[in-house]
Formats: sequence, structure tokens, C-alpha cells
Amino acid sequence: DSGVTQTPKHLITATGQRVTLRCSPRSGDLSVYWYQQSLDQGLQFLIQYYNGEERAKGNILERFSAQQFPDLHSELNLSSLELGDSALYFCASSGRTSGRTTDTQYFGPGTRLTVL
Amino acid sequence: AQTVTQSQPEMSVQEAETVTLSCTYDTSESDYYLFWYKQPPSRQMILVIRQEAYKQQNATENRFSVNFQKAAKSFSLKISDSQLGDAAMYFCALQGGSEKLVFGKGTKLTVNP
Repeated sequence: DSGVTQTPKHLITATGQRVTLRCSPRSGDLSVYWYQQSLDQGLQFLIQYYNGEERAKGNILERFSAQQFPDLHSELNLSSLELGDSALYFCASSGRTSGRTTDTQYFGPGTRLTVL
Repeated sequence: AQTVTQSQPEMSVQEAETVTLSCTYDTSESDYYLFWYKQPPSRQMILVIRQEAYKQQNATENRFSVNFQKAAKSFSLKISDSQLGDAAMYFCALQGGSEKLVFGKGTKLTVNP
């Protein structure tokens, strides 16, 4: 158990809908990262938050957004869903000290999103 | 741009034998970190081992060790005394410059009894 929790584990929805994925980092971790794992694109970095502020952006679509709350949990919002958004979405956390690049990222169990 | 290449889509090993998974990478950063993550059928991403690029000594974690060749930009994972529980997808990852991880496409390891 990495200490990172994600809910829900599975999500099935229809095209055009909006969903919210939730992540709670390890106790004390300040950074939260979101990754998408799909068959065709592999594991891709989406976005990072550090202590409530957006820190880095990757290949995140404009239909997707995220935020990190004062209690450090994070939510990833996916809207106007398309079939191609079906994937496993991981949250990872790190940075019990200062969010240095040296901090190892620990992954949650993931949320499997299926768009029908 | 940073890239990670795993040239072996699939590998197999007999239980109790040793297997080596290959990984090459490319980065212009002088300070970076390399990782191997394991993804069993449960889909959980589990950290196996980590290597700091500035360290000459190869990292070791119990039965797992790496062969880090900085000049060749190579970072292979050796699994000794393979166990059935080692069967999984193994991903090589690079972290350098920014804090994001860049992953390879993975190697599926099968352990035969």
C-alpha cells in the first residue's frame, strides 16, 4: 500500500458527460501528479500541483482540468468525454520535504474510466 | 525532449533464474533520476528501484539491481532468483529537469514455474 488513495476505482460513463476523479496523497506529501495510461499512448504525465498551486503541465487536454485543495487532496475533472478518454488515470504524490525533484513519486491504485 | 526506450516488449524467465530488462534513455540534463516501476495484473504502479545519475554505484534492492551506464545512457534491471510474484509489466522512467516522470512503453515479464 503506497498510502495514496484514489476514488472511484472504476467509472463507466457516456460520451459527452463530465466526471471527477479524486486523489488523496500520502500524509505530508505536498506534490500531486496526474498520469494517464492508455493502450495507444502508454503512461503520460498530465499535470502537477504543489501545495495548492499548479506547477507543471503535460499533455493535458483543454477539456481536462485539475485542482489541489487546502487539505492537499486533488481532483481531476474530465468533461465532454470522448471514447478515446477511456484509460487508467493515476495519481502520484511526493515531496514530504520541499517538493524537490529528488523526491520519489508513489502511485495510487488508479481509476479506470470507461467511456461508452 | 526526454525519451525512454524499452526495446523488449516481452521477456520470460524460469523461476529461480536471473533475467535482465533493458532500458535506454535520452536527456540533455546533467542531473536526473532513473526508476523502475512494476505493474502487476492489479494495475498498481509499484516502485522497484531508483538511481541518481550523479551516483557511480549501481542501486540494489534485495533481488533487484541495476546496471547504470551513464555514457551509454543505459539503465538495465536485473532480477535474481526470479519468483512467480515478479510476473508483471516493468516500466523504466526518467525524471530530469522537471519533476514529471517520462516512461518507456514497458516490458511484460512472464515467470515460468
